[in-house]
Amino acid sequence: EAEVAQSPRYKITEKSQAVAFWCDPISGHATLYWYRQILGQGPELLVQFQDESVVDDSQLPKDRFSAERLKGVDSTLKIQPAELGDSAMYLCASSFRDLGTEAFFGQGTRLTVV
Amino acid sequence: TQLLEQSPQFLSIQEGENLTVYCNSSSVFSSLQWYRQEPGEGPVLLVTVVTGGEVKKLKRLTFQFGDARKDSSLHITAAQPGDTGLYLCAGGRRYALNFGKGTSLLVTP
Repeated sequence: EAEVAQSPRYKITEKSQAVAFWCDPISGHATLYWYRQILGQGPELLVQFQDESVVDDSQLPKDRFSAERLKGVDSTLKIQPAELGDSAMYLCASSFRDLGTEAFFGQGTRLTVV
Repeated sequence: TQLLEQSPQFLSIQEGENLTVYCNSSSVFSSLQWYRQEPGEGPVLLVTVVTGGEVKKLKRLTFQFGDARKDSSLHITAAQPGDTGLYLCAGGRRYALNFGKGTSLLVTP
C-alpha cells in the first residue's frame, strides 16, 4: 500500500542549529502539505504545494523556515536557526486532487529543541 | 481564527458506552474528513463526506455531514479501548485543508 514517507522519525537539536525534514509523498499526488502539531492539538498548516509551486505559505515563519519541492515530487522543510518553541511534530501529507480533500499523512518527525 | 470547532475537547468513558463528538464551523466546506491519530503517529483517514446530509458508517462509527455542509458529527457505538485516540475533523475548501483542534478520547476497560 502506498504511503507518505518521512524522515527522520525523531530529531533532537540544540537551539540555534539548523534542522531539515524530508518527505516523499504518495506517487502521483500533486498536492503536498507540511503541518506542525503541538501535542494534543490539531495540525496547523505551514505550507502547501501544488506540484512544485507554493499555494499557501501564509503561516510559515519565513524568517527561519523554508520549504521546497523542486521537482514537484519530494519536499524538504528546513528550520534555521531552531528555537525552543519549534519543538513539535512535523507532519507531511499528500493529496491526489487540489481541492483540499483526502490528505494522507506520513508518520511525522518529532522534533525536540534543547 | 479557528475555522473548525470540535467538542468536547476531552472525553473519558468506559468500554461499552456510546459517544458523539462534534465538528462545527460557520464556513461551508466542499468536503469534510475525519481522522484518528494515536500518540506519536500521523493522522489516519477514517472517512470523507461530501454531500450535505450524508451519513456514512464504518463498523461501529457513524459519520454525518450537516445539510448545510458546515458541521459534522461522529458517533461511536459500544466504544472499545482500541478506539482511544485523538479524533480530528478537517474541512476541505479550494486549495486548503483546515483542521480542528481535535477530541481526545480515552476508553477504559
